[in-house]
Amino acid sequence: SAVISQKPSRDICQRGTSLTIQCQVDSQVTMMFWYRQQPGQSLTLIATANQGSEATYESGFVIDKFPISRPNLTFSTLTVSNMSPEDSSIYLCSVGASANYGYTFGSGTRLTVV
Amino acid sequence: GQQLNQSPQSMFIQEGEDVSMNCTSSSIFNTWLWYKQDPGEGPVLLIALYKAGELTSNGRLTAQFGITRKDSFLNISASIPSDVGIYFCAGWAGGGADGLTFGKGTHLIIQP
Repeated sequence: SAVISQKPSRDICQRGTSLTIQCQVDSQVTMMFWYRQQPGQSLTLIATANQGSEATYESGFVIDKFPISRPNLTFSTLTVSNMSPEDSSIYLCSVGASANYGYTFGSGTRLTVV
Repeated sequence: GQQLNQSPQSMFIQEGEDVSMNCTSSSIFNTWLWYKQDPGEGPVLLIALYKAGELTSNGRLTAQFGITRKDSFLNISASIPSDVGIYFCAGWAGGGADGLTFGKGTHLIIQP
């Protein structure tokens, strides 16, 4: 399965600022997703990162707040914009060929907003 | 949106005991997946189920895809300390939606 490098692994940020999270994969992958895991909670899909086009966002998530880039088949970024303490979560990148083969997850970025 | 009801929320068991957890949904999923998450890590895939009625094993783990396609269970036999963690069920609905819907997780705690 693909190996994912997610950076940074953790950060503490001031409210009102933005943080860009990087997801690098060691091989070309078809599907790439971003999830949020709030403290003690399950994973919620933020968006599907589409190569060469705008990301597809799930209900409750908007591009202005979570802009996503995917310039090629091995790399994507998620930006958390204008952060507030409610954005404190673990953000996870996930990749795979299809759901039938299961998706691989990165180790996540643990974000704390103060 | 779709939701998965996972139970139990937590389990406190003795080492060597068997464990059972399950997920149910009000809607159909085409694939059921079971993941384990350790502290500070992302979820790791344990078992993937593709067909209704399918029963699949991975070592001491056994999972089944319910006949109605609205439920799945995971069993762990003869638990050991390294089984501690949070177990998530996840479903893939298909139909153009490629992301996964996750259950709320079962926190497994093993007492030696």
